[in-house]
Amino acid sequence: DGGITQSPKYLFRKEGQNVTLSCEQNLNHDAMYWYRQDPGQGLRLIYYSQIVNDFQKGDIAEGYSVSREKKESFPLTVTSAQKNPTAFYLCASSIFSGQGNSPLHFGNGTRLTVT
Amino acid sequence: GDSVTQMEGPVTLSEEAFLTINCTYTATGYPSLFWYVQYPGEGLQLLLKATKADDKGSNKGFEATYRKETTSFHLEKGSVQVSDSAVYFCALSDSAGGTSYGKLTFGQGTILTVHP
Repeated sequence: DGGITQSPKYLFRKEGQNVTLSCEQNLNHDAMYWYRQDPGQGLRLIYYSQIVNDFQKGDIAEGYSVSREKKESFPLTVTSAQKNPTAFYLCASSIFSGQGNSPLHFGNGTRLTVT
Repeated sequence: GDSVTQMEGPVTLSEEAFLTINCTYTATGYPSLFWYVQYPGEGLQLLLKATKADDKGSNKGFEATYRKETTSFHLEKGSVQVSDSAVYFCALSDSAGGTSYGKLTFGQGTILTVHP
């Protein structure tokens, strides 16, 4: 079955350390996204990528970095510059639609705790 | 910029009760509208969508109608079940100029709890 795999499900890090969250999809989708979810705030877009080797900042990109070297993979690095990194991180993908009506397919998320 | 506002939660209902979760939006252009559902510990799943004014999206007994005149997309279900307990998110994808790449703007989510 096709889908999006995020790993690990739970991640613990010490303050000041960089950490990379994995996201892999086998849906052959062009576009991939990273969202951050905090209680009572919905989802906020961190970065997105429409094609390989290209990505754009979302609404809250500061303190994060991404790469898109393969169509299937879109890892997110949470750097030590991110002031409040503890959150639930969701990766998503979609086919490209110039009409903007393609739904997102989400992974099951990674819960990051930084102490 | 685009924004989505959902009714404040949490919402607590008894099984077989009628459900309404309000959603209103602000957007330029002609957005597509979505409802997503999130079960505990999981990612979001698409529940239903509508891509133009007066369209009705429906799935699993849930319905929502795209109302351009009131900029609303309220979610309804006639008879909820315990298994419907989850967090529900309203979202929009702005398609102004046909340049959208699926970027969604989400509401803050509404927690629904259904008791037997």
